[in-house]
Amino acid sequence: DAGVTQSPTHLIKTRGQHVTLRCSPISGHKSVSWYQQVLGQGPQFIFQYYEKEERGRGNFPDRFSARQFPNYSSELNVNALLLGDSALYLCASSPRDRGTGELFFGEGSRLTVL
Amino acid sequence: SQQGEEDPQALSIQEGENATMNCSYKTSINNLQWYRQNSGRGLVHLILIRSNEREKHSGRLRVTLDTSKKSSSLLITASRAADTASYFCATVFTGTASKLTFGTGTRLQVTL
Repeated sequence: DAGVTQSPTHLIKTRGQHVTLRCSPISGHKSVSWYQQVLGQGPQFIFQYYEKEERGRGNFPDRFSARQFPNYSSELNVNALLLGDSALYLCASSPRDRGTGELFFGEGSRLTVL
Repeated sequence: SQQGEEDPQALSIQEGENATMNCSYKTSINNLQWYRQNSGRGLVHLILIRSNEREKHSGRLRVTLDTSKKSSSLLITASRAADTASYFCATVFTGTASKLTFGTGTRLQVTL
């Protein structure tokens, strides 16, 4: 079975631009979460969606938004990019709504903002 | 913000030796998980320990949890070069979304 897939794997943007990152969860998983990992730090929670509804939001500005589609895939959008948005963006899926179990991570999308 | 910190930040050992990493956290948890990350790629789940458990084993991995001290340790026995990676602990709070709060990570280097 395919794992969590993310696209694109790498991208370069300039300040002020907008970016859309995409994620396909493991088949049968209805929950998708997004994490930001800045170089040298642990991942930080951005959003969780379950059954197309937002179930959790981390401490990120409104420039960050996400949505989940009927097929459970998800998009993360970031507007008005700043240099500090340069990071590895990780998507994770889970079969559960509320978390007591493991998350399954994709390989990430590495965003560089110049 | 990070939930806690991991100690040491970096660890270098030789193949065959044991590696111990420690994790501290700040608030009550439902469970604690350990993940591995190779060279800035995706994270792989290693083991989960619930708040009412004190020790858990999985292959060469042993995890302990001390809720009174709000700390956990991960022991990798008989390390191999392939164990070279960053290791993160992550906590889950009761009633929250499927949200993991990660520590700062330990970079493990296993040399031949």
